[in-house]
Amino acid sequence: GENVEQHPSTLSVQEGDSAVIKCTYSDSASNYFPWYKQELGKRPQLIIDIRSNVGEKKDQRIAVTLNKTAKHFSLHITETQPEDSAVYFCAASINGNKLVFGAGTILRVKS
Amino acid sequence: DAMVIQNPRYQVTQFGKPVTLSCSQTLNHNVMYWYQQKSSQAPKLLFHYYDKDFNNEADTPDNFQSRRPNTSFCFLDIRSPGLGDAAMYLCATGAGETQYFGPGTRLLVL
Repeated sequence: GENVEQHPSTLSVQEGDSAVIKCTYSDSASNYFPWYKQELGKRPQLIIDIRSNVGEKKDQRIAVTLNKTAKHFSLHITETQPEDSAVYFCAASINGNKLVFGAGTILRVKS
Repeated sequence: DAMVIQNPRYQVTQFGKPVTLSCSQTLNHNVMYWYQQKSSQAPKLLFHYYDKDFNNEADTPDNFQSRRPNTSFCFLDIRSPGLGDAAMYLCATGAGETQYFGPGTRLLVL
């Protein structure tokens, strides 16, 4: 079955700096890769996703890149703000069925 | 944002006492999921429904059951909760690829 690895497990950045979180997946059939942000005690919220027919997608300060050959995808947050502090999960799936999550990254943005 | 609703938000039960968590959706999505999330861990899929078709994950304990009486509602039944079942239980719905999570029910087992 699918296995998703996520790094780093914790990431501290200074406000205004960029943050990058990386994930690798094992199943070459996976074709949908969402990223979720989860604040303490709250639900995971979808922040951006990418499909396998696209190499990069951007939405304001966040972007996701996908390398199908290497089977890895990354989340990039620019101009980080304190409210970006949260746990971020990557996931992989085939057509959106049965998301397999990475272990999560705790992002701390220091002001 | 109240498209996936979970009740109650907090549930306390006793060791071995059956408990039911509920989820409802206003999105009319045909897929509903139940996840278990323990502290500092990723959500773990327990089972999902595609319409009325039930799909159980291989490692979901027999202690966990689910019912989906109609499109809008889905229930998670824990027949004999153990201390290790204390967690956040997240319901999600899906249409196409995107999954939308409810706020979760935090279960405490005494």
